[in-house]
Amino acid sequence: QQPVQSPQAVILREGEDAVINCSSSKALYSVHWYRQKHGEAPVFLMILLKGGEQKGHEKISASFNEKKQQSSLYLTASQLSYSGTYFCGTALNAGGTSYGKLTFGQGTILTVHP
Amino acid sequence: SQTIHQWPATLVQPVGSPLSLECTVEGTSNPNLYWYRQAAGRGLQLLFYSIGIDQISSEVPQNLSASRPQDRQFILSSKKLLLSDSGFYLCAWSQVGYEQYFGPGTRLTVT
Repeated sequence: QQPVQSPQAVILREGEDAVINCSSSKALYSVHWYRQKHGEAPVFLMILLKGGEQKGHEKISASFNEKKQQSSLYLTASQLSYSGTYFCGTALNAGGTSYGKLTFGQGTILTVHP
Repeated sequence: SQTIHQWPATLVQPVGSPLSLECTVEGTSNPNLYWYRQAAGRGLQLLFYSIGIDQISSEVPQNLSASRPQDRQFILSSKKLLLSDSGFYLCAWSQVGYEQYFGPGTRLTVT
């Protein structure tokens, strides 16, 4: 079942912060975050594993609430380069019958203005 | 380092014509391989995934098929294209349990 992302779209000015949420109705093994620029392939940002720690990369970080099966992506002090569509992908388990396949949310469009 | 290639980058094909898209991965062995389709302004739809040579699972019934003749080669095919097959086709690889990395994609327009 497809995870649900919110909000569907966000408009920011440079320097502002944003939070993108990803929720699943099923127990998750991992949550993956990607950013896609218009006309390009998605680029991997980070992965959060069940039982793992909150991840961070420069001004982009994420958390995974296993009780709620929800992940949040935090973008602080946004830059123009952060513009794009953000997707979360969820995996129910590491391998086994699902072979680590991901189900992606519908995406959140982030626009950063000067 | 690992690299993933896809070709062609763009393709315009008439309805009813055949299709063959190729994806190759370098710098890793026995990867999981995936084919996705993305319609304009939409999310990523998983079409096929493969855990090894000739081991392919289909996610969505359709007129597409996939093959994996070599460890790091993944091919998406169709005998007769439909208008609804238009979209952005993405190949991705991963090691089991880890993140997926996408190729540059093929933009297919069926006319």
